[in-house]
Amino acid sequence: QKEVEQNSGPLSVPEGAIASLNCTYSDRVSQSFFWYRQYSGKSPELIMSIYSNGDKEDGRFTAQLNKASQYVSLLIRDSQPSDSATYLCAVNMGGNYQLIWGAGTKLIIKP
Amino acid sequence: GAVVSQHPSRVICKSGTSVKIECRSLDFQATTMFWYRQFPKQSLMLMATSNEGSKATYEQGVEKDKFLINHASLTLSTLTVTSAHPEDSSFYICSVKGDSHTEAFFGQGTRLTVV
Repeated sequence: QKEVEQNSGPLSVPEGAIASLNCTYSDRVSQSFFWYRQYSGKSPELIMSIYSNGDKEDGRFTAQLNKASQYVSLLIRDSQPSDSATYLCAVNMGGNYQLIWGAGTKLIIKP
Repeated sequence: GAVVSQHPSRVICKSGTSVKIECRSLDFQATTMFWYRQFPKQSLMLMATSNEGSKATYEQGVEKDKFLINHASLTLSTLTVTSAHPEDSSFYICSVKGDSHTEAFFGQGTRLTVV
């Protein structure tokens, strides 16, 4: 069974610190990886996508992919209270773009 | 980014009635649409995938006669929850992808409450 796993949290991080979110996946042939942010009562919003091994940076966000170890992570630098949300990891394990979703990690940034 | 409009954002209906949810791509052609359901404190569960002009493909455990999906045009897909029951109360979200996109874009979601 294809799975994506995340620690449900909550992960509590002081304002200004680095928040580190992790995700592991089961299928080695997975092709693309996504991090979404979801505020309570809202639909997910794409934060980062990553397709190849290594780091990808976009502003305060850095996605890291390690296909050999089958994990993908998201780092948030200079964390702000507005970053408090649930972060969902999603993996495309096939060519039809059907995403497998993790359960999400709740992140709390404390002022 | 691409714009996806989902309507209504909230709906309350009586048990036994049907509810239609619309999902529109406003500035691109939606070749593939995904319908998700999300219960409180849980992740998204894919219900079905639809391509324009063809029948939707439902995930295991999702009743196709209860959750009717119509993807009649390249900009519109609808999900109809028929004979709704309180256990159908959930957050329903559509996601849309065009041919030129490497990612899908989400609608705003519909909070359905069946009383």
